[in-house]
Amino acid sequence: EAQVTQNPRYLITVTGKKLTVTCSQNMNHEYMSWYRQDPGLGLRQIYYSMNVEVTDKGDVPEGYKVSRKEKRNFPLILESPSPNQTSLYFCARIYMLLLRGNTEAFFGQGTRLTVV
Amino acid sequence: QKEVEQNSGPLSVPEGAIASLNCTYSDRGSQSFFWYRQYSGKSPELIMFIYSNGDKEDGRFTAQLNKASQYVSLLIRDSQPSDSATYLCAVRHSNYQLIWGAGTKLIIKP
Repeated sequence: EAQVTQNPRYLITVTGKKLTVTCSQNMNHEYMSWYRQDPGLGLRQIYYSMNVEVTDKGDVPEGYKVSRKEKRNFPLILESPSPNQTSLYFCARIYMLLLRGNTEAFFGQGTRLTVV
Repeated sequence: QKEVEQNSGPLSVPEGAIASLNCTYSDRGSQSFFWYRQYSGKSPELIMFIYSNGDKEDGRFTAQLNKASQYVSLLIRDSQPSDSATYLCAVRHSNYQLIWGAGTKLIIKP
């Protein structure tokens, strides 16, 4: 079964304490993405990765880092978290149906982060 | 800035009625459109996608696309309480990017 797995599901941390949210997929897909979801703002892309060692900024990259050392894993790193990064985070596998030119996003379970 | 707009709701619909959800987008060149359902505290899940003008039906769900007017809608027939959720509209921006609306909260009243 195709899966995107995020950990942890819930995290409360203090301002400035570095943290990592892990994301792994079992489908050997190239494209992966991180989103944050805030009330009234919808899903906003933080970073995406097109393949190993190939990453790029999305719409709201400030305060975040990612790495893609292997195809399976795509961790999100907050070097110095701040309260405005309190949000619901989703890792997504981006799947392209090339024949029809469509794109589908398949999401992990989400990580609810609170920064105090 | 490419945008996708949805009415945040909540939209309240009696059980058994038709729920109509709307979405407008700013990029006239957009080609592919998606509807996702998200239950509270859960991840979004794909309901339908559409890329041709007109209607596309899948069970109780119908997606409608009008590229000239730049809107896409989702109809849910015979609404059930289990349809209560937030519905997200997404528009393909590139091979690996989707632009998302903020979502419409739908409440089906028994």
